[in-house]
Order: sequence, then C-alpha cells, then structure tokens
Amino acid sequence: NAGVTQTPKFRVLKTGQSMTLLCAQDMNHEYMYWYRQDPGMGLRLIHYSVGEGTTAKGEVPDGYNVSRLKKQNFLLGLESAAPSQTSVYFCATTQRGVGTGELFFGEGSRLTVL
Amino acid sequence: AQSVTQLGSHVSVSEGALVLLRCNYSSSVPPYLFWYVQYPNQGLQLLLKYTSAATLVKVINGFEADFKKSETSFHLTKPSAHMSDAAEYFCAVLSGGYNKLIFGAGTRLAVHP
Repeated sequence: NAGVTQTPKFRVLKTGQSMTLLCAQDMNHEYMYWYRQDPGMGLRLIHYSVGEGTTAKGEVPDGYNVSRLKKQNFLLGLESAAPSQTSVYFCATTQRGVGTGELFFGEGSRLTVL
Repeated sequence: AQSVTQLGSHVSVSEGALVLLRCNYSSSVPPYLFWYVQYPNQGLQLLLKYTSAATLVKVINGFEADFKKSETSFHLTKPSAHMSDAAEYFCAVLSGGYNKLIFGAGTRLAVHP
C-alpha cells in the first residue's frame, strides 16, 4: 500500500502562476486535510474535507481552493501564486476524524514561489 | 479557542540523557492532546495521544507524556535519549470543531554522542 501520496514533491513557480497539488490515498479514509508548514510556525490547516464532495476552510484558507470530487483524492489549488505561499505542504488523512483516529501524513510537497 | 505552546524551538541532549520537551495547552473543553514526530524529509507520525477518558494511547520508542490539568501541560519525556530520536516534535490539541488539530510550532531535538 502506498498510503498517502502527494504529487508533485517539488515545484518552483513564478508569481501569478497557478498550480494544483494532488493528494491521493488508498486507505479508504473519509477525512482529508491540507496543511502548510513554515519554520517556527508549525503546521497550519488550510482546508479540509470530511467526505467526498465536501470541503471546509481551516485556519489559513486565503489564496487556496480545494476539491474532493473522488473519495481518494483531495486537490489543493493555487490560482495566482504569491511568494508568501512558499512553503512545504502536507496532506493528511484519517478514517473517523482526528479525535478518534490517527492522522496519516504524506511526505510533503515543497513549493517555491519566486 | 484551543491552542498549544511549545517551549524551546531547539533542545540538545547527550545520548543516554533524559529528554524533556515542553508543551502547554489552552482548551475550553477537556482536551484531546497529541504528540507527533517528524523525521527529516518525511511527514509527521503519531507518537502518542491523550483523550478525555484519561487514557494515554500508543506509546512509541520509550516516549511518555505527562498530562497535568492543573498546569495545563502535556510534556513529552524519555528517560534515555538515543541517536535515532533526533527529529522535530510537535504537540497538538483537538480543536472545538473536533475535526481539526491545532499544532504547536515544534521543537527540534538534537542528540549528540
């Protein structure tokens, strides 16, 4: 089993460009999350989904959009990238919510916006 | 709102020494608390968690966490550090929505011979 797979692992963008990060999971989990990790700030929740077809905003949703058209995939989009979005992005999943289950993380996607 | 504060962004210990990583939380409800570990170039992994049933679940690699309600603390300890413990450690609290974890800023643990 692959678990949680993030694509791409590295990307360099110019300001104003758009891109999509893909998170794919093969564990049949209901809940999926996108976090960003910045030095000295830990992980901050961008958006999350509690099931196929649902999305919700986290702590820092501005500048990002998400979609969960299929249960196994959670996409994070940047419509017009800004240097402030330079970060490492992590996808995480859990079956029944973080209170009762364990979050499983992907290996991260490092994004640089010039 | 729930929040966590990790005291010390970097901790350095000798191999075989006690490891103590500090975490204080703020929660308006009985907290669910977690410690996650991140090894270089990897995602986070659950180290242990504490639920409102006062049960400590999933102890890994000799780590333990001491929940003290009176001090609103959830410090992570290990009696004897090993070189393989070098990693970044994150304390987290379940948010009021019960679907989200709020993470601390992290503490990077270095273990030297």
